[in-house]
Amino acid sequence: DTGVSQDPRHKITKRGQNVTFRCDPISEHNRLYWYRQTLGQGPEFLTYFQNEAQLEKSRLLSDRFSAERPKGSFSTLEIQRTEQGDSAMYLCASSPGQGWGAFFGQGTRLTVV
Amino acid sequence: AQSVTQPDIHITVSEGASLELRCNYSYGATPYLFWYVQSPGQGLQLLLKYFSGDTLVQGIKGFEAEFKRSQSSFNLRKPSVHWSDAAEYFCAVGAGGSQGNLIFGKGTKLSVKP
Repeated sequence: DTGVSQDPRHKITKRGQNVTFRCDPISEHNRLYWYRQTLGQGPEFLTYFQNEAQLEKSRLLSDRFSAERPKGSFSTLEIQRTEQGDSAMYLCASSPGQGWGAFFGQGTRLTVV
Repeated sequence: AQSVTQPDIHITVSEGASLELRCNYSYGATPYLFWYVQSPGQGLQLLLKYFSGDTLVQGIKGFEAEFKRSQSSFNLRKPSVHWSDAAEYFCAVGAGGSQGNLIFGKGTKLSVKP
């Protein structure tokens, strides 16, 4: 399968714990995005990488959130000191360039208890 | 600021009937426009996209959409709906610039009656 891969698919964590999600984009795509989706809403943009450079971060991305894309390949999204409001589906997408649209992974569903 | 409005939260159609899902956008320049479909528990699948040129674009699964600049709309259509089309549909606009991130609407949930 050559699509966008996310791991884990589901994560349940206790409030205050740290969690890390991984995304493997389509190999020839230099653009990588993280989105968050809550029930009844469309995906909301969190952050964007072009190769290894993080070029944009949404105001939704508080200081507890950090994302990396070492070597411009896979990416990780870490949430520190999780809160119940962080419960959501975290979607990763990749794209070969502007205007192509984004190709999404199946997401990581986070539940903070 | 860019925005996308999908006026219908939930639509129910009979199998075999035609479908139109509405999308209005706000964007200062010529937008990149997209429709995605999301089945329960799944990621988003790109149905079709508009960049420029012909304002009627064809997508996968028999869907099409028409860009109307004068109405700031990009409605999704299908002539005959199948039960497997039941899902949530999202319209999105490309935010432009160097980023290319997408601004999504809140989605329209489609139910299909037998």
